[in-house]
Amino acid sequence: GENVEQHPSTLSVQEGDSAVIKCTYSDSASNYFPWYKQELGKRPQLIIDIRSNVGEKKDQRIAVTLNKTAKHFSLHITETQPEDSAVYFCAASPGKLKYGNKLVFGAGTILRVKS
Amino acid sequence: DAGVTQSPTHLIKTRGQQVTLRCSPISGHKSVSWYQQVLGQGPQFIFQYYEKEERGRGNFPDRFSARQFPNYSSELNVNALLLGDSALYLCASSPGQYSYEQYFGPGTRLTVT
Repeated sequence: GENVEQHPSTLSVQEGDSAVIKCTYSDSASNYFPWYKQELGKRPQLIIDIRSNVGEKKDQRIAVTLNKTAKHFSLHITETQPEDSAVYFCAASPGKLKYGNKLVFGAGTILRVKS
Repeated sequence: DAGVTQSPTHLIKTRGQQVTLRCSPISGHKSVSWYQQVLGQGPQFIFQYYEKEERGRGNFPDRFSARQFPNYSSELNVNALLLGDSALYLCASSPGQYSYEQYFGPGTRLTVT
């Protein structure tokens, strides 16, 4: 089945610096790759996503890139702010009919933005 | 995503007991998925329901079951609770069976003692 690996597990950056989180997936049929932000005690919140027919997507300070050949995708946050501190999860959708819209999540990255 | 509701917020049960968790999706969404999130890990897929039928199942034992009602709300049942079932149970709502975007509810924190 699909497996998603996420690195690093923790990331500390100075306010204003950039942060990059990387994920790899195993199933070449995967076709949808969302990123979720989860603050302590709160629900995972969809912040950006990308589909397999797109290489890059940007939304203000966040961007996601996808390399289908290498089977990896990355989250880029520029000009980080203290409120960006949270746990970030990447996920992949296996894309097979029998799984419906199942998402397979990475283990998460704790991002700390120091002011 | 603010429209997905779950109840109860917190629950404490004893080993061997049974529990029922509830979820109401965003208005207009017909698909509900359930995920288990153990502390320090990413959510793990349990079930997807669409039009009252199971459309996907993760690697969970038969002690886990679910159903979806005509109004698209859903219940997750867990029988014979084990200590390892302690987790945050998340419900995710999406418009259709193969809709990409999923929006999570606040979750139910289950503690098994």
